[in-house]
Amino acid sequence: AQKVTQAQTEISVVEKEDVTLDCVYETRDTTYYLFWYKQPPSGELVFLIRRNSFDEQNEISGRYSWNFQKSTSSFNFTITASQVVDSAVYFCALSEGGKAAGNKLTFGGGTRVLVKP
Amino acid sequence: DTGVSQNPRHKITKRGQNVTFRCDPISEHNRLYWYRQTLGQGPEFLTYFQNEAQLEKSRLLSDRFSAERPKGSFSTLEIQRTEQGDSAMYLCASSSTRGASYNEQFFGPGTRLTVL
Repeated sequence: AQKVTQAQTEISVVEKEDVTLDCVYETRDTTYYLFWYKQPPSGELVFLIRRNSFDEQNEISGRYSWNFQKSTSSFNFTITASQVVDSAVYFCALSEGGKAAGNKLTFGGGTRVLVKP
Repeated sequence: DTGVSQNPRHKITKRGQNVTFRCDPISEHNRLYWYRQTLGQGPEFLTYFQNEAQLEKSRLLSDRFSAERPKGSFSTLEIQRTEQGDSAMYLCASSSTRGASYNEQFFGPGTRLTVL
């Protein structure tokens, strides 16, 4: 069975600080996908990134970066120079299987990030 | 840009009543998913469709819940004889099995259900 754990329930930082969100996953599949979503106070889940299990390259997109390490089953997310608009709940998610699979998402419990001015 | 839309956005009902929610996916997406999110938790998978076929249902989906996607476009989720424990945000997402954005699920704004 697949499982995603986000051990940090809430992180509070001052604007311009960096913040790293941890995500640890469990799966028996060799083919799987990892995701991060942002849920701002408005409530709508916003897709941030998808990685497949065969691509361990780290990725940077503006102030966002992701560190995927299969050896530790982790897919951590860093926000550099945080801004007040980054305040939200961030979810890590996992879907198992290749293209023939249903690819349902299993979400972690989320990490609430509060960026203070 | 037409993303995933859901109606209604909010629904308040009395225990024992039936409710129905609608989801309109992104037009070229062939997969449609329903999730439920309770306060302070991550979303939980309920069911999904590929085109008009319902291919998987979670054990969370009791007999009181039914979902349809009759023409492979919009979907409805009905809850019969609602209970207070059904109070949650019901999220719909859609994705495509083709192209570079394969398996990227895009979510709608959700329908918040309150059962009194």
